[in-house]
Amino acid sequence: QVQLVQSGAEVRKPGASVRVSCKASGYAFTGYYMHWVRQAPRQGLEWMGIINPTGGSTSYAQKFHGRVTMTRDTSATTFYMELGSLTSEDTAIYYCTRDPRSTKQLASYYFDFWGQGTLVTVSS
Amino acid sequence: DIQMTQSPSSLSASVGDRVTITCRASQSISTYLNWYQQRPGKAPKLLVYAASSLQSGVPSTFSGSGSGTDFTLTISSLQPEDFATYFCQQSYSHPYSFGQGTKLEVK
Repeated sequence: QVQLVQSGAEVRKPGASVRVSCKASGYAFTGYYMHWVRQAPRQGLEWMGIINPTGGSTSYAQKFHGRVTMTRDTSATTFYMELGSLTSEDTAIYYCTRDPRSTKQLASYYFDFWGQGTLVTVSS
Repeated sequence: DIQMTQSPSSLSASVGDRVTITCRASQSISTYLNWYQQRPGKAPKLLVYAASSLQSGVPSTFSGSGSGTDFTLTISSLQPEDFATYFCQQSYSHPYSFGQGTKLEVK
């Protein structure tokens, strides 16, 4: 069965960066796109970007351009999302979530399987 | 950017009730509209994609409809496990935005 298991909660100071991991199992790792979505208390759910595990190409929401980097390690079947220049507004739960469409097609930009979420707290 | 607006923001209902949640897009998105359920402390769960297609494993008490700018999610007979928060999301254009959520509570 498809499983996405994320790394544990993180606390960072303003200006720092954080990296969240997402270990995928139960399906062909390079067969499906992966997205990152965050959920902040006052801002609801927010799409951050997508990575194609075949080749590693990415597309980010304009809001996060220059601050976010999404990568993958195919040998470890793990995805990573790094967010820099953190502020208190980045305090949120970060989810990795799979696109149901194969990487042989264009992504669908909706989300069928989700990780359990990683709480990132930014506080001085 | 496309704005997604849900109504109501909260709703009280009883087991067995029929409930409808509405989602409106700020511009036409054809049928690129998806619905998710989120229980407290859990990740969202996909219920309906492409406006009206039921995700595998989702009970047939859930249904979606609409196209263009106006969409609805209907639960035909509420079950105890359906009390949760529901989000719509557009997959029409970047950035792929969500509604603010509708919290379904026990009356």
